[in-house]
Amino acid sequence: GAVVSQHPSWVICKSGTSVKIECRSLDFQATTMFWYRQFPKQSLMLMATSNEGSKATYEQGVEKDKFLINHASLTLSTLTVTSAHPEDSSFYICSARLAGATDTQYFGPGTRLTVL
Amino acid sequence: QQQVKQSPQSLIVQKGGISIINCAYENTAFDYFPWYQQFPGKGPALLIAIRPDVSEKKEGRFTISFNKSAKQFSLHIMDSQPGDSATYFCAASWYTSGTYKYIFGTGTRLKVLA
Repeated sequence: GAVVSQHPSWVICKSGTSVKIECRSLDFQATTMFWYRQFPKQSLMLMATSNEGSKATYEQGVEKDKFLINHASLTLSTLTVTSAHPEDSSFYICSARLAGATDTQYFGPGTRLTVL
Repeated sequence: QQQVKQSPQSLIVQKGGISIINCAYENTAFDYFPWYQQFPGKGPALLIAIRPDVSEKKEGRFTISFNKSAKQFSLHIMDSQPGDSATYFCAASWYTSGTYKYIFGTGTRLKVLA
């Protein structure tokens, strides 16, 4: 149980275009989902916290107009990287916390974004 | 204060040996300490977790030792296998802004030699 999927697993796009990444909790409901960014050989950095039906909360230094997050249902959150630039190239990972539970986050497999 | 210091950065262990990874924290508001395993190009997978009211937790070959007074915790991998070669992250969770968030350590690249 507690499976989280992401789609796509990898994407290549041209500079200036927008890319949408989906995060789904497959076998549980997630009131809260999190979006992380990971550069090669580095740790995971929290970008934003996404709560179902409300606006996402962004960490300091993360541009909310560039990284649009929507959490439309208890099983789906999306991250849209708008007007992507090469410096946005990274590994984006989502996680989900079970509704009613407290701490444990279950992570998706990640999405590799490459902006040319 | 919102930091978790992890060491070593990399670790090489012979097959069958014990791998030990250490983490330290400052914030006493942290109340849940999970360890994650990550293979290249994959998302982190939960290995084992502990709360500060417990000094040790064991699941199979994986053991967490927790020292609340020293604000330190460690992961021990017994009988290490080549398949354990991965990056390991400790994390700490705390309640803030209406939800529980994680802060991750910097990671330890483990290589187990066959």
